[in-house]
Amino acid sequence: QVQLLQPGAEVKKPGASVNVSCKASGYTFSSYYMHWLRQAPGQGLEWMGRINPRGGGISYAQKLQGRVTVTSDTSTSTVYMDLSSLTSEDTAVYYCARGPADYYYMDVWGKGTTVTVSS
Amino acid sequence: DIVMTQSPDSLAVSLGERATINCKSSQSVLYRSNNRNYLAWYQQRPGQPPKLLIYWASTRESGVPDRFSGSGSGPDFTLTISSLQAEDVAVYYCQQYYSTPPTFGQGTKLEIK
Repeated sequence: QVQLLQPGAEVKKPGASVNVSCKASGYTFSSYYMHWLRQAPGQGLEWMGRINPRGGGISYAQKLQGRVTVTSDTSTSTVYMDLSSLTSEDTAVYYCARGPADYYYMDVWGKGTTVTVSS
Repeated sequence: DIVMTQSPDSLAVSLGERATINCKSSQSVLYRSNNRNYLAWYQQRPGQPPKLLIYWASTRESGVPDRFSGSGSGPDFTLTISSLQAEDVAVYYCQQYYSTPPTFGQGTKLEIK
């Protein structure tokens, strides 16, 4: 079955960077986009960016431009999200989510990685 | 960015009764060249990731019970649960994917009365 495997949690200090992985299985990795979204405690959903593993086309939310980097490794079917210059406002659950090529809805979600930014 | 506004913010419905959630976009999400509304609905149960219920405003995702249905066009959409079950307690989100960035409504919390 289709699965997106993410680590459970990360704790980082303000000013640091976090790298979150998302390993895909059960489908043809390069045939779908992979999105990153986050959800702050008790809040709604925020789209961060996406990557097309076939060809590497990338799009980021303007709000996070310059701080977020999404990459993919087709040899391991893994996507990575790097977020730099962390502040307490980046404390959230970070999700990877698969979506059909060319359309920005998400049909399979990972369980999420809780990132806590605290001194 | 397109702003998505859901109503109500919370809703309490008796088991077996109908639940209706509304979603309004700040501009039309109907793409006239293919006559498709770029609108999806998700369910998020407590402690879980969101789950896709509906896309193209009214197409049910595989495996989603047929008590869930989506309707509407342009800027106004509705998610209907025809007969509420206990496992439907969740927060429901609408999302537009007409333009980048894709944006979500603030969520509607559905509870049992």
